[in-house]
Amino acid sequence: AQTVTQSQPEMSVQEAETVTLSCTYDTSESDYYLFWYKQPPSRQMILVIRQEAYKQQNATENRFSVNFQKAAKSFSLKISDSQLGDAAMYFCAFLYNQGGKLIFGQGTELSVKP
Amino acid sequence: GAGVSQSPSNKVTEKGKDVELRCDPISGHTALYWYRQRLGQGLEFLIYFQGNSAPDKSGLPSDRFSAERTGESVSTLTIQRTQQEDSAVYLCASSLEWYQETQYFGPGTRLLVL
Repeated sequence: AQTVTQSQPEMSVQEAETVTLSCTYDTSESDYYLFWYKQPPSRQMILVIRQEAYKQQNATENRFSVNFQKAAKSFSLKISDSQLGDAAMYFCAFLYNQGGKLIFGQGTELSVKP
Repeated sequence: GAGVSQSPSNKVTEKGKDVELRCDPISGHTALYWYRQRLGQGLEFLIYFQGNSAPDKSGLPSDRFSAERTGESVSTLTIQRTQQEDSAVYLCASSLEWYQETQYFGPGTRLLVL
């Protein structure tokens, strides 16, 4: 069974600095998708970034980028130029290519200091 | 609609009562998912629908939980004889298809069982 592990329950970053959130996963499959979702206090889960396992190039979305290491089963999220609005819970999630359900990590709570 | 909507936003009930939670997916999305998020935890998959059939109900925690969907529209999650351990946020998501697609989440229903 697939599992997703986020080893950092809490992280803190100074405004305008860069922070990296870690995620590892365990699967025997070769074709899958990985996601980072953001959940602010409003509870709304917001998609931050998505990575297809078959793509070697790391995904980027403006200030957000990932470091996808398929062999190591690692999928970290880098947030550059951190802003106060980035403060939230961040969840890493796995989607099996042939399955509909997302498997989530336990989350990392990110705080941004002004 | 513009996004996934859920109602009610909050629900307080007494132990032993039945509750119904509603989800309206994004128009045109054929797949719909239910997740549960206990306080301070990641999301647990409950069930998903492709159209009005449910290929995967493996996450439903007990026979007190059931869900149905009308066509490719509204879904209702019903919890019978609620218990205190059912207290959680129940999140609904939808996607264009059940495979390889990003899931878009609603704001959730916070259920508190007294």
